[in-house]
Amino acid sequence: EVQLVESGGGLVQPGESLRLSCAASGFTFSSYSMGWVRQAPGRGLEWVSVITAASSFTNYADSVKGRFTISRDNAKNSVYLQMSSLRAEDTAVYYCATLGGDVWGKGTTITVSS
Amino acid sequence: DVVMTQSPLSLPVILGQPASISCRSSQSLVHSDGNTYLSWFQQRPGQSPRRLIYRVSGRDSRVPDRFSGSGSGTDFTLKISRVEAEDVGVYYCMQGTYWPRTFGQGTKVEIK
Repeated sequence: EVQLVESGGGLVQPGESLRLSCAASGFTFSSYSMGWVRQAPGRGLEWVSVITAASSFTNYADSVKGRFTISRDNAKNSVYLQMSSLRAEDTAVYYCATLGGDVWGKGTTITVSS
Repeated sequence: DVVMTQSPLSLPVILGQPASISCRSSQSLVHSDGNTYLSWFQQRPGQSPRRLIYRVSGRDSRVPDRFSGSGSGTDFTLKISRVEAEDVGVYYCMQGTYWPRTFGQGTKVEIK
């Protein structure tokens, strides 16, 4: 079964850091560009970051540039999002997805609040 | 960034009747490789998004054939030929031609 499973979400205070993980199974992970999409409460979808299959290229939304870092480990079929200097406006459900959007995880929730 | 503008933002529909959602991009979505990377996603209440359509009109597997996509350049449309109860949710278009990838605001489809 093709699957993406996110983990690492939780409640953090403003300014803190958090690392999200996404474990892939059921497809050739190392052949796919991957990314993170977030959805703030009651809002639409926003691409946060993307990484190509061989990690040769990454892209970030302006809203997270300089604070978030995407990486992947093809040997572990996993992609990660290291988030620092978190702000209240980063509160959202974070989905892991293939770049083309054909596979999505169920999401992990991050709440940034004091 | 490429701005994706959907209309309407709310779409009350009658079961069994057709529905149509428009998506316009601020720039042509024709890629230098000749393809047009415009996708449509459905997000049912409480669920993750699901891709319905890729590259304007390609239907994903297990997507009912009542869903169809069309358009070119900057103007695109998602049509549902006969709305069913399970089609309730929010629909998003997304461009995959430029960085960063961008979504439309979403169109909420509900049963009238």
